[in-house]
Amino acid sequence: ETGVTQTPRHLVMGMTNKKSLKCEQHLGHNAMYWYKQSAKKPLELMFVYSLEERVENNSVPSRFSPECPNSSHLFLHLHTLQPEDSALYLCASSQWDREGTEAFFGQGTRLTVV
Amino acid sequence: KQEVTQIPAALSVPEGENLVLNCSFTDSAIYNLQWFRQDPGKGLTSLLLIQSSQREQTSGRLNASLDKSSGRSTLYIAASQPGDSATYLCAVRDNYGQNFVFGPGTRLSVLP
Repeated sequence: ETGVTQTPRHLVMGMTNKKSLKCEQHLGHNAMYWYKQSAKKPLELMFVYSLEERVENNSVPSRFSPECPNSSHLFLHLHTLQPEDSALYLCASSQWDREGTEAFFGQGTRLTVV
Repeated sequence: KQEVTQIPAALSVPEGENLVLNCSFTDSAIYNLQWFRQDPGKGLTSLLLIQSSQREQTSGRLNASLDKSSGRSTLYIAASQPGDSATYLCAVRDNYGQNFVFGPGTRLSVLP
């Protein structure tokens, strides 16, 4: 148990559906991240939230919409996705502005767009 | 822009061997470097964190070194076991965006 929990673990959705991914951390961190991991590609940073404010949006299409209601919860809202969006979506947390802090990851949500 | 590479891309060794995984990064202005393990279809498990002021960290059979000036880190695994089979990722946290930039990983197979 890493202290970062993601739900659901698996999701299959059609291109016209709307769904949301949820991430929760119990580590007292003040920064949370969404990463995308596609086959044979390095992890790609999507969004970063620090103190519930978005500090980075890494050129992600608008069909992905993040939400951070508080420092413990992070959502990724999905709508009108494409098959190439199928991937493992990973959430992470850390302490912003602390040099020595580790990043902790959840188990990921395996998303398949059909 | 920070870029991270890892060599080799894949490695297969018999059980009991000692092995070294390599990580290189292009910009030495980093906060820290972290090594992770990822089992197929799973999330990332943190193995070792080396702060920018440190040169080495050890945990059990794992030893990670950092040479910030040359932009390199190595992960040494002693007496490898089949349970060590996984993909190993290194990530640097840079001074600018404070984000974690990942390498592509090394896929390790330890044969019984």
